[in-house]
Amino acid sequence: GQNIDQPTEMTATEGAIVQINCTYQTSGFNGLFWYQQHAGEAPTFLSYNVLDGLEEKGRFSSFLSRSKGYSYLLLKELQMKDSASYLCAVRVLQTGANNLFFGTGTRLTVIP
Amino acid sequence: EAEVAQSPRYKITEKSQAVAFWCDPISGHATLYWYRQILGQGPELLVQFQDESVVDDSQLPKDRFSAERLKGVDSTLKIQPAELGDSAMYLCASSLYRGGNTEAFFGQGTRLTVV
Repeated sequence: GQNIDQPTEMTATEGAIVQINCTYQTSGFNGLFWYQQHAGEAPTFLSYNVLDGLEEKGRFSSFLSRSKGYSYLLLKELQMKDSASYLCAVRVLQTGANNLFFGTGTRLTVIP
Repeated sequence: EAEVAQSPRYKITEKSQAVAFWCDPISGHATLYWYRQILGQGPELLVQFQDESVVDDSQLPKDRFSAERLKGVDSTLKIQPAELGDSAMYLCASSLYRGGNTEAFFGQGTRLTVV
């Protein structure tokens, strides 16, 4: 099975930087995704890493270390609208098809 | 902008009744997923299709759940009979290439309440 861990909740201040960590243990690793999910809404894609290193996209960056089974999502210049759940998802190659498995999500609250 | 369409958005049903959810993926997307998300948890994969074929349904409770994608386009997920523990958000997602080798786009989901 897949084991994906991330903190349940985090709180950060508007304008600050926050780092959300994700660790995973899986076989057949084939990429890691971060999704944002506002309450009652569908998850929306934020970032994708398959090779080690940092991917930057505006205020959001994501890092991956395959050898350590570790990723983080970095959010800069936090805004109130960034209050949401952030889901770490691991893509796993199984029997010729890629499946996408999610962690439990980290609920981020941005305070003024 | 292309979207994954799901209906209904909300469904209340009594336990032991049958319920069905519909999903229309983004046009041309070969891979379709059904996920179940319990409040406060991450999505749990139920079934994955490539075109009209099931490639993974290992987490689908087959005694009560069924899924089909007959023409490789839209899909239906059915629960019969529904149980109280089935109350959750049911999310459909699609990705462009076979094998799910691109990001998945999610629909708005169907929130099911079993009473």
